[in-house]
Amino acid sequence: QLQLQESGPGLVKPSETLSLTCTVSGGSISSSRYYWGWIRQPPGKGLEWIGSLYYSGSTYYNPSLKSRVTISLDTSKNQFSLKVSSVTAADTAVYYCARSQSDYDYFSYWGQGTRVTVSS
Amino acid sequence: DILMIQSPDSLAVSLGERATINCKSSQSVLYSSNNKNYLAWYQQKPGQPPKLLFSWAFTRESGVPDRFSGSGSGTDFTLTISSLQAEDVAVYYCQQYYSSPYTFGQGTKLEI
Repeated sequence: QLQLQESGPGLVKPSETLSLTCTVSGGSISSSRYYWGWIRQPPGKGLEWIGSLYYSGSTYYNPSLKSRVTISLDTSKNQFSLKVSSVTAADTAVYYCARSQSDYDYFSYWGQGTRVTVSS
Repeated sequence: DILMIQSPDSLAVSLGERATINCKSSQSVLYSSNNKNYLAWYQQKPGQPPKLLFSWAFTRESGVPDRFSGSGSGTDFTLTISSLQAEDVAVYYCQQYYSSPYTFGQGTKLEI
């Protein structure tokens, strides 16, 4: 059974870089059948797609965040990562990693999410 | 960006009654070459990640009870729960995957 698990600091200071990792078990991140994505949910609010990447390393991002976001792959560890630079309080959210089908970006599998608070 | 608007924002339904949630997209999410609607529905219970209920507007995921159904095409979609059960209390989201950036509706909170 596929499992995704987010990890990373729960508290980040304003203007610093938020860094999260998603560890995938029960399946290979190197499969050509899937994309791997990040979605976030501010407290009490809805869902926002951040970006996704393919096993080849190709990425696509939400333009609203593109200038600050990097998603990368570590196939040796079966992990992918998210970095958001220059964070503000508006980046406070639960961050989810998820898997979508190749070419069809609905998300079939989700991690449990990790809460990140931006505060000094 | 394609804007997804759900209605209502919240809904209270009695046990055993029908619940209907609507989702409207600012442009069509029907891809003419394959006649498929690039629309998904999710259920999110408190403290949990979203769970995919439907893809392609009405293709039910394995394990989703058949009291749940999805319908609609183009810009107007509906999620229906035919006979509400206590475990269906959740927030429901639609999502379009027709074009990037992929966008979600604001959510509909379903209560008893």
